[in-house]
Amino acid sequence: GQSLEQPSEVTAVEGAIVQINCTYQTSGFYGLSWYQQHDGGAPTFLSYNALDGLEETGRFSSFLSRSDSYGYLLLQELQMKDSASYFCALRDNYGQNFVFGPGTRLSVLP
Amino acid sequence: DAEITQSPRHKITETGRQVTLACHQTWNHNNMFWYRQDLGHGLRLIHYSYGVHDTNKGEVSDGYSVSRSNTEDLPLTLESAASSQTSVYFCASSPTGTSYEQYFGPGTRLTVT
Repeated sequence: GQSLEQPSEVTAVEGAIVQINCTYQTSGFYGLSWYQQHDGGAPTFLSYNALDGLEETGRFSSFLSRSDSYGYLLLQELQMKDSASYFCALRDNYGQNFVFGPGTRLSVLP
Repeated sequence: DAEITQSPRHKITETGRQVTLACHQTWNHNNMFWYRQDLGHGLRLIHYSYGVHDTNKGEVSDGYSVSRSNTEDLPLTLESAASSQTSVYFCASSPTGTSYEQYFGPGTRLTVT
């Protein structure tokens, strides 16, 4: 099977940089996705890493290292509106199941 | 504008009743997914479909069924609702080949009493 682990909570101040980590166990997968979800809202897609390395999308970047079974989401120039939960997710090679991590709740303080 | 909708947004039902949650997307996406979200568990995949008449079981499919008769709709049926199925249900869709980028509906909050 597959499993993903994330820290449950992270707190940072406005304007800072924060990194949300995701470690996983799987026998094979296509890539790692990241989603944002505000309270009471639906998840929205942020980023995807098919290959090792860094993907940059504006203030958000995502990194993947298959050899370390590890990825992270980097949020720069934090804004109050970035307060939300962030989920990593992967699709395995075999059952093609999508598995989401438990989510990290980010609180941005003024 | 293209979108994905779910109905109803809120539903209260009794144990043992059959319940169907609707999901409709106007993007013409081939891939559609159903998830449930519970505190402490993130999102868990219930069923998914990669095209008309294609359906597959996800991680937590017991007690749920889906059918795909057209591209736009993937209704989720709870055959005999149980209190353990109280949850928020999200439907999602994605184009063929980009299942890593899913577009989610607004969710349905289901309470089974």
